[in-house]
Order: sequence, then C-alpha cells, then structure tokens
Amino acid sequence: DTGVSQDPRHKITKRGQNVTFRCDPISEHNRLYWYRQTLGQGPEFLTYFQNEAQLEKSRLLSDRFSAERPKGSFSTLEIQRTEQGDSAMYLCASSANRVETNYGYTFGSGTRLTVV
Amino acid sequence: DQQVKQNSPSLSVQEGRISILNCDYTNSMFDYFLWYKKYPAEGPTFLISISSIKDKNEDGRFTVFLNKSAKHLSLHIVPSQPGDSAVYFCAASASNNDMRFGAGTRLTVKP
Repeated sequence: DTGVSQDPRHKITKRGQNVTFRCDPISEHNRLYWYRQTLGQGPEFLTYFQNEAQLEKSRLLSDRFSAERPKGSFSTLEIQRTEQGDSAMYLCASSANRVETNYGYTFGSGTRLTVV
Repeated sequence: DQQVKQNSPSLSVQEGRISILNCDYTNSMFDYFLWYKKYPAEGPTFLISISSIKDKNEDGRFTVFLNKSAKHLSLHIVPSQPGDSAVYFCAASASNNDMRFGAGTRLTVKP
C-alpha cells in the first residue's frame, strides 16, 4: 500500500467553474477525512466518513461543497461555482478505528487549488 | 473558533540543543492529543500522541507532555537535528470526533 493518494496535486480553475478532487485512502482504513489548509493556518476540518456514511460536516462546508464516498472506498470532494476564497490546499486523511491504533491519521500530499 | 492554539509561529534552535514546541487548548472534552510534522509539498505526518490519562509519552528523541489543569501540551525534541526542520502542528480530538489543529510552529534547526 502506497499510503493516501490524492489527485490532482494541483488545480487552477477560473472563478465560477466546478472542480472535483479524488482521494484514495489506505485500503484497510474505514475512516476518511477532508481538511482544508490555507497559508499560515493549520488544517481545518471539513467532513468525515466512516465507511460510506458521511458522519459529520463542518460549518465551513457550504452548500457549494459536496463529498461522497461510494462503497466506502475512494472519496470525491466537489466544489461548485468556485470562488477565489476557495483557493487552498485540500487534504485527505484516513485512519482505522480509533481503538485499534494510536489514532494517528495518514494524510495524503494534498490538492492545491488556485481559483483565478 | 480556535480550540487549539500554537502561539509561536516560529522557533529556531541550534543543532544538538532541545526544541520545545508549545500548544494550548480550550475544549475540556479533548481526550487525545497529537503532534504532526509537515514538510513543504507533503501532507502532515503523524509524530507522537498522548491520551488524557497520561501526562507524558516518549518515543526516541520526542517526548510529549500534557498538563490537563493548564490545558497545555508541549513537544520536546532532544537532541534537535537539522532534519527536524519542518512545521509542527498540534492536534486534539474528543472521543470519536474529528481532530482540530493548531496553526503550526515552524521549527528551524541550525547546524
């Protein structure tokens, strides 16, 4: 297993366009998380899945954002009608059940979105 | 709301000396605390964690101390090495909930 993979690594889009990012977690991890990081800040929680169920969504996740995890495997994060304020690094992470591990997440390298 | 705070944006230490990174939190429901390390163009990498039932956890050169009454934790790196230069994030979670991260501290270890 090569860890958590995110695609694409970089995305430049025009304001108003829709974008979709993909995350492939570690195969045996049933939890998957999306975070957003802007310059000088730590990662901010967006949403998480346990298997295919989306269990929590942050207030940061406006109605232009939607995430899915069909069949509890890979996940997609879509941003509709992008705005310049959406420019950030979007990080995906996965973990096994907390009681089985030291609860460390494994992060992917992120997708850097630039909205022009 | 900034539930996890790292008030020092940067820290510079000499190789071989101790690095101490600090973190404060406000949510008394947090029961698990973690430190992550991040190099440029990479995602954060898990470094060390501590449960709220402990006050110290050690792993090689890295030790995390937790002071629950002060809602404060710290990461000690001894001895510091140039390869430790990175951004360090403090994170905390309440039972079965997502993690909240601090803004990070950029550590520079000078040879």
